[in-house]
Amino acid sequence: EAEVAQSPRYKITEKSQAVAFWCDPISGHATLYWYRQILGQGPELLVQFQDESVVDDSQLPKDRFSAERLKGVDSTLKIQPAELGDSAMYLCASSSHEGTEAFFGQGTRLTVV
Amino acid sequence: DAKTTQPTSMDCAEGRAANLPCNHSTISGNEYVYWYRQIHSQGPQYIIHGLKNNETNEMASLIITEDRKSSTLILPHATLRDTAVYYCIDCDDKIIFGKGTRLHILP
Repeated sequence: EAEVAQSPRYKITEKSQAVAFWCDPISGHATLYWYRQILGQGPELLVQFQDESVVDDSQLPKDRFSAERLKGVDSTLKIQPAELGDSAMYLCASSSHEGTEAFFGQGTRLTVV
Repeated sequence: DAKTTQPTSMDCAEGRAANLPCNHSTISGNEYVYWYRQIHSQGPQYIIHGLKNNETNEMASLIITEDRKSSTLILPHATLRDTAVYYCIDCDDKIIFGKGTRLHILP
């Protein structure tokens, strides 16, 4: 069964350092989502792509976060510089198109020290 | 922000049906009702969705009221593996999660 792949699974970084997460969606899925999930809360949508275009990044802290999906396939989420409050699970998901069921990866657990 | 409201937590005895309610007070005509669940330390998992009619699949059943202002997810024979946080979502083109319902299955 096709899966959304994310790497790394775990990342520990020092504050003020740069960190990047990678996501490979299910083949053929046009819509890609990045979420941040703080312990005990529901996932928060950071950015949504339709192919290579950003359709929603209203909750992305653009002073330190960036996301790209250059060829409309895999995607990278970057944080620079990382802050202690960025410690969270970062989830990637994909769907065939907007408004259809999404498939989630296992996530990257980030700890900023 | 999430537009649905759900109880914070629920308990259900193993082997019984688990009925999880959701209020969709501001749902619009083109928004589907989606349910996902998240087992500890995993990504959310799609369960079921519907627009107006009741739906059933191998995981669960979904009951949507005629006015679409509320829905109920039914797990017909709950097992310990169904312990998770369950999210209902009004979805058109975005998937916005609320706080969900933490379901505990009691042995």
